[in-house]
Amino acid sequence: EAGVVQSPRYKIIEKKQPVAFWCNPISGHNTLYWYLQNLGQGPELLIRYENEEAVDDSQLPKDRFSAERLKGVDSTLKIQPAELGDSAVYLCASSLERGPGPYEQYFGPGTRLTVT
Amino acid sequence: SQQGEEDPQALSIQEGENATMNCSYKTSINNLQWYRQNSGRGLVHLILIRSNEREKHSGRLRVTLDTSKKSSSLLITASRAADTASYFCATGTSYDKVIFGPGTSLSVIP
Repeated sequence: EAGVVQSPRYKIIEKKQPVAFWCNPISGHNTLYWYLQNLGQGPELLIRYENEEAVDDSQLPKDRFSAERLKGVDSTLKIQPAELGDSAVYLCASSLERGPGPYEQYFGPGTRLTVT
Repeated sequence: SQQGEEDPQALSIQEGENATMNCSYKTSINNLQWYRQNSGRGLVHLILIRSNEREKHSGRLRVTLDTSKKSSSLLITASRAADTASYFCATGTSYDKVIFGPGTSLSVIP
């Protein structure tokens, strides 16, 4: 079974430029998460999807961040414009949730973003 | 704000020794999960313990949960160099929300 796929693995951009990250979850997983992880810290949730619906985007900085999960499968996270403080690892995870949760999450390798 | 807090922040042991790390949290939970993250790799789920469970085992891992003290511990027995990683507790609250702690960095010296 293929794991969660993310691309790109690394991205270096100048501040004020846009950037997009792509995630393909494990086949059949209905829930998808985007996390931000700073060095030496745990992941922080940005947005959680159940199928196509964003059910928790309370921590997503909506002035510059946007996300979509078309057809309830792949997802894209975008930052426009990027700021120096956005430098971090962006993790995508998926889970198969049936009934009361939360459930174990399967993480992709992440995208390391450096904003210069 | 982070729900869980691991202790210690860093731990260094010799190969073959046991490693114990703790997690304390603030509000009621549905379950608590432990994850491992090796240097340069993604997060891997280790074990999930539900709020009505007190202890769970998986291979060399033993997790305990004390809901009255709002704390959990992860014990790794007979540690190996390959266990060197950061370990995170993730508290599962209502509404299916999972909040990760800052992690414990474990170094196992061969």
